[in-house]
Amino acid sequence: DTGVSQDPRHKITKRGQNVTFRCDPISEHNRLYWYRQTLGQGPEFLTYFQNEAQLEKSRLLSDRFSAERPKGSFSTLEIQRTEQGDSAMYLCASRHGQGNTGELFFGEGSRLTVL
Amino acid sequence: QKEVEQDPGPLSVPEGAIVSLNCTYSNSAFQYFMWYRQYSRKGPELLMYTYSSGNKEDGRFTAQVDKSSKYISLFIRDSQPSDSATYLCAMGHAGNMLTFGGGTRLMVKP
Repeated sequence: DTGVSQDPRHKITKRGQNVTFRCDPISEHNRLYWYRQTLGQGPEFLTYFQNEAQLEKSRLLSDRFSAERPKGSFSTLEIQRTEQGDSAMYLCASRHGQGNTGELFFGEGSRLTVL
Repeated sequence: QKEVEQDPGPLSVPEGAIVSLNCTYSNSAFQYFMWYRQYSRKGPELLMYTYSSGNKEDGRFTAQVDKSSKYISLFIRDSQPSDSATYLCAMGHAGNMLTFGGGTRLMVKP
């Protein structure tokens, strides 16, 4: 399977705990995006990387959220001191930096439930 | 007001019907427009992609963009139960992230 891979698919945690999600993009894609999607809503942009550089962060990304993409390959999204409002699907997507702009390939998502 | 507005539905149609899904937007900088389909508990998958105003057809799907009215549509002909999903419009401008609508849930009944 050469698609975008996300892990874990579902995480249940207690309020106040830290969680980390991993995304492995399509191998030749140099741009990687994180989105958050709550029930009945469309995906909301969180942040994106071009190679290892984090180029843009949304105001939705509070200080409790941090994302990394060491070596420009896989990426991690960490949420510290989780709150119930963090419960959502966290979607990772990737694409080429060149060519057709905007054609994102999404992973299956990591669903977070904060109790 | 959101940059991209989309009726959440649900929209329920009989099998074989023509389906019309729509989005309006406010940001005139948007240059390219997409429709994604999302099945329950899955990630979105790209259906249609277009840069310019006008129509683009792909099999049973037709995407229509009217930049002057800031309005885009997706038409599905001969709808099938397997088309039951949430349809998300998305749009962006060069180098930037996509902005999504809230999605319209479609149910096609056999």
